[in-house]
Amino acid sequence: DSGVTQTPKHLITATGQRVTLRCSPRSGDLSVYWYQQSLDQGLQFLIQYYNGEERAKGNILERFSAQQFPDLHSELNLSSLELGDSALYFCASSVEGQGADTQYFGPGTRLTVL
Amino acid sequence: ELKVEQNPLFLSMQEGKNYTIYCNYSTTSDRLYWYRQDPGKSLESLFVLLSNGAVKQEGRLMASLDTKARLSTLHITAAVHDLSATYFCAVDHSGGGADGLTFGKGTHLIIQP
Repeated sequence: DSGVTQTPKHLITATGQRVTLRCSPRSGDLSVYWYQQSLDQGLQFLIQYYNGEERAKGNILERFSAQQFPDLHSELNLSSLELGDSALYFCASSVEGQGADTQYFGPGTRLTVL
Repeated sequence: ELKVEQNPLFLSMQEGKNYTIYCNYSTTSDRLYWYRQDPGKSLESLFVLLSNGAVKQEGRLMASLDTKARLSTLHITAAVHDLSATYFCAVDHSGGGADGLTFGKGTHLIIQP
């Protein structure tokens, strides 16, 4: 158990819908990362937040957005869903301090778009 | 664009044998990460390699980093069935991990009795 929690575990929805995925980082970690894992694309970095501010963007679609709240939990919003958005979405967190900065991954949310 | 290539992508081996997984990356980076993923599960951090020549060992796994060759290896010694999993290497773009990780495609390892 990494200490990172994600809800829900599974989500099934229809094309065109909007969903919100939630992540709580490990205690003391200030940075949150979102990744998408699919058979086609592998593991892809989407976006990073640090202490409430967006720090880096990866391959995140315009239909997707995220935010990190004052209590450091983060939400990833996916809208106008398409079949190709079906994937496993991971949240990871790190301390973002000096030295080694391991990212610890949560259990993931499996999204199925029908 | 940073590219991370792993090989082999699939490996079936017998218990007791040794093998090495290779990870090449395309741009300068001083940080290289190895993760393990069991089917349907999350990613578990194995090693963080922070500088050229770094070597880390945990049990039957040993990882090394050559930043000049842009190459990391994960060596498995006397493999056991419990090591069956998918192994990913990943690189970040900056020393502070501020850009997220770029992952290889993963090496799917099956260890047979």
